[in-house]
Amino acid sequence: AQSVSQHNHHVILSEAASLELGCNYSYGGTVNLFWYVQYPGQHLQLLLKYFSGDPLVKGIKGFEAEFIKSKFSFNLRKPSVQWSDTAEYFCAAGSSNTGKLIFGQGTTLQVKP
Amino acid sequence: DAGVIQSPRHEVTEMGQEVTLRCKPISGHDYLFWYRQTMMRGLELLIYFNNNVPIDDSGMPEDRFSAKMPNASFSTLKIQPSEPRDSAVYFCASSYGTGGRETQYFGPGTRLLVL
Repeated sequence: AQSVSQHNHHVILSEAASLELGCNYSYGGTVNLFWYVQYPGQHLQLLLKYFSGDPLVKGIKGFEAEFIKSKFSFNLRKPSVQWSDTAEYFCAAGSSNTGKLIFGQGTTLQVKP
Repeated sequence: DAGVIQSPRHEVTEMGQEVTLRCKPISGHDYLFWYRQTMMRGLELLIYFNNNVPIDDSGMPEDRFSAKMPNASFSTLKIQPSEPRDSAVYFCASSYGTGGRETQYFGPGTRLLVL
C-alpha cells in the first residue's frame, strides 16, 4: 500500500538551530515527492518538489530536501531556522500516472525566539 | 488570481443537519481535490475531479458524504446527516495538470464543528 510517514510529530528548536524533518515513503513505480508548509492561519503552500535529476532540491525560504532512493526517504533540511519558520510541515508522494498525492501526518515545528 | 476560494470559513451545526461546503478553484485548473484534516488522521484526500468528472472517491468516508462539480468553477461537498465525528477542517485544492505531479493550490479551509 502507498504510504508516507513522518517520524517527528512535534519538534521544538531555538532560533539558528539546524532543522531536519524525516519523511519516508512506500510507493510503487516512479514517485514524485513534495514538501508543503502550513503557517499559522494560512493556506498550505508548496515548499519544494522533486521529480527527477539532482536528488538535492532547493525550495523557498532556504529549505532543501534530499531524495535518497535506497532509503525511500525525502528529508527536509534548513541550516538555520527562524521564528517565522514555525508551522506545520507535510511530506507528500504522488506519481505522474495518478491525479493524487498521499500526505504524511505532518510535523509541527515550533521555533523559540 | 484570487486563489482557491472556500465558503463558509467556519460552520457550526447540530448533529443531523445537512452541511454544504463550497469551493471555487483557480481559473484554468483542471483538477480539484477535497481534503479533510483532523488531529487524529492528519490530511486525508476525500475525492478528486478531473475536468469536472469524479475520478477517485475512495476516501469518502461513507454515504453521508457526497461531492459534485457541476462546472469548472464550482464544487460542493455535502454531508447529510452530519455527525460530531465529522468535525474537522475541510480543504479544497486545485492544480493545473495531474495532482500527482503538479503543485496543488489550497484554499483557506472550512472549519466545521458538529455539535
